[in-house]
Amino acid sequence: GAGVSQSPSNKVTEKGKDVELRCDPISGHTALYWYRQSLGQGLEFLIYFQGNSAPDKSGLPSDRFSAERTGGSVSTLTIQRTQQEDSAVYLCASRQTGVDTEAFFGQGTRLTVV
Amino acid sequence: DAKTTQPNSMESNEEEPVHLPCNHSTISGTDYIHWYRQLPSQGPEYVIHGLTSNVNNRMASLAIAEDRKSSTLILHRATLRDAAVYYCILRLPRSADGLTFGKGTHLIIQP
Repeated sequence: GAGVSQSPSNKVTEKGKDVELRCDPISGHTALYWYRQSLGQGLEFLIYFQGNSAPDKSGLPSDRFSAERTGGSVSTLTIQRTQQEDSAVYLCASRQTGVDTEAFFGQGTRLTVV
Repeated sequence: DAKTTQPNSMESNEEEPVHLPCNHSTISGTDYIHWYRQLPSQGPEYVIHGLTSNVNNRMASLAIAEDRKSSTLILHRATLRDAAVYYCILRLPRSADGLTFGKGTHLIIQP
């Protein structure tokens, strides 16, 4: 079966432009996470969606970052007025709900702001 | 929140066993211990998890201390493909939780 799919795989954008990153989770997975990973660094949690509950946005670094999840499936992470420090790999993960389930990660979107 | 502590890096030789430690002294009774790894230029992948008993799967073994304040991921026979960053994280047994990753251990495998 298909895993977590992210698009685009690479994105180069000019400083100040808006970008949208897409995540297609595994079908039936109600939990979805976005992370950011700068070069040589660990994973930085950004936002978490769980079913129809209000998302946990506690990791979003500024109000330029937003995310939505339509129909409990596809999610879009939007970065407005991009800055050079936004350059990173953005990773999406999904998992089923349950007492304890593993998370599946996509390959990520490498964002470069020039 | 319960936190984990791991060495920044470890080195091992190919075809030898590797023991990756993780300290989680503030773990609560219901926290699961999870391990993920991230190969170069890839997203993290699940390795193994456990609660109290030691666990084995096709990838690795997880040894959990009796007091649960530490655990060890065991790769029985390391290959070059096992070179990765290994993350030890704690997960709560309810659905409304986030996955919080630390910096992990960078495992280097020498041929």
